[in-house]
Amino acid sequence: GDSVTQMEGPVTLSEEAFLTINCTYTATGYPSLFWYVQYPGEGLQLLLKATKADDKGSNKGFEATYRKETTSFHLEKGSVQVSDSAVYFCALSSSGTYKYIFGTGTRLKVLA
Amino acid sequence: ETGVTQSPTHLIKTRGQQVTLRCSSQSGHNTVSWYQQALGQGPQFIFQYYREEENGRGNFPPRFSGLQFPNYSSELNVNALELDDSALYLCASSPTGGGFSYEQYFGPGTRLTVT
Repeated sequence: GDSVTQMEGPVTLSEEAFLTINCTYTATGYPSLFWYVQYPGEGLQLLLKATKADDKGSNKGFEATYRKETTSFHLEKGSVQVSDSAVYFCALSSSGTYKYIFGTGTRLKVLA
Repeated sequence: ETGVTQSPTHLIKTRGQQVTLRCSSQSGHNTVSWYQQALGQGPQFIFQYYREEENGRGNFPPRFSGLQFPNYSSELNVNALELDDSALYLCASSPTGGGFSYEQYFGPGTRLTVT
């Protein structure tokens, strides 16, 4: 079945460091891919999405490119801030289904 | 525009009891999905409702049931609670019948503790 694998956390970085959170997926067909962020005590917020191969989603300085050849959707940011501290979830949604499949999440902690 | 709201925020129940969680979808959204998020895990899909009918279901037993009302708000009912049902329950709405390229908008969740 479809699945999403994320790198284990927590990831601890200093402010202004470069961030990469790896995400790979297994799916039949061509899923849509998403990154969601969950701040402490809150629900999930959509960070960015890509719906076809080679699409790049971007928002608030975060980027991710849909790589069909490597079945990956890695999240990157050039310079993280303390306010980026949160849990990040990679997710997919396949055509013909009605659900999102989420990874287990990666906790990011940014130190001042 | 009002976002997705859920009630209650927190709930404590005893094993064997029944619980009802409520969700109001974002304005203009006719599709509601429910997810269970155990501590330290990603959300797991429970089911989705579109125009008052169940539109898909994950690997959850029948004691998890739901409803969607004409105003597109929704309820999640769980019977015969078990300790493993302790989790954050998330509701998400989207503006279509679950089209796979559309993002879902999540509420803040209801934290259920079963003792």
